[in-house]
Amino acid sequence: NAGVTQTPKFRVLKTGQSMTLLCAQDMNHEYMYWYRQDPGMGLRLIHYSVGEGTTAKGEVPDGYNVSRLKKQNFLLGLESAAPSQTSVYFCASSYGTGSYNEQFFGPGTRLTVL
Amino acid sequence: GQSLEQPSEVTAVEGAIVQINCTYQTSGFYGLSWYQHHDGGAPTFLSYNALDGLEETGRFSSFLSRSDSYGYLLLQELQMKDSASYFCALNRDDKIIFGKGTRLHILP
Repeated sequence: NAGVTQTPKFRVLKTGQSMTLLCAQDMNHEYMYWYRQDPGMGLRLIHYSVGEGTTAKGEVPDGYNVSRLKKQNFLLGLESAAPSQTSVYFCASSYGTGSYNEQFFGPGTRLTVL
Repeated sequence: GQSLEQPSEVTAVEGAIVQINCTYQTSGFYGLSWYQHHDGGAPTFLSYNALDGLEETGRFSSFLSRSDSYGYLLLQELQMKDSASYFCALNRDDKIIFGKGTRLHILP
């Protein structure tokens, strides 16, 4: 099993450009998450999904959109990239809610917006 | 709302024991988790405390006290490979709220 994979691994954008980050998991997890990690800020939740066809806003959703058309995929879109969106983006998945909710993370996408 | 506080950096010596503390303010949660993150890699789950007390997994132990709004991660017999960032996180509803992380430096 590949676990959680993310594409691309690296990307450089110019301000105003758009792009989509793809996250895929092969563990049949219901829940999927997108985080961004910035120095000194920890992992901040952007958007998440509790099942196919559902999405919800996290802590820092502005400037991002997401879609969960298939259970195994969770896409993060940047409509008009800004330098403030320079960050490392992590996708994660888990079996579901409740007490335990261990999250499995992908290797990250390093995005630079010039 | 909720917030977690942990030291930004901790330094320890190889072979020693180190404790990383985490305090929190929240209106409710299922339990406290800990994750390890090596630079350039994926964060990985270490441990989870649903109840007060100590949970032990090999060289790592985690503790939770709900009455004190406090938890910690204890790493024993430190190895150079333990150099990483460690995040405490609150499990609540259908998501997890992460602290800002503690970078652990290990000296030979």
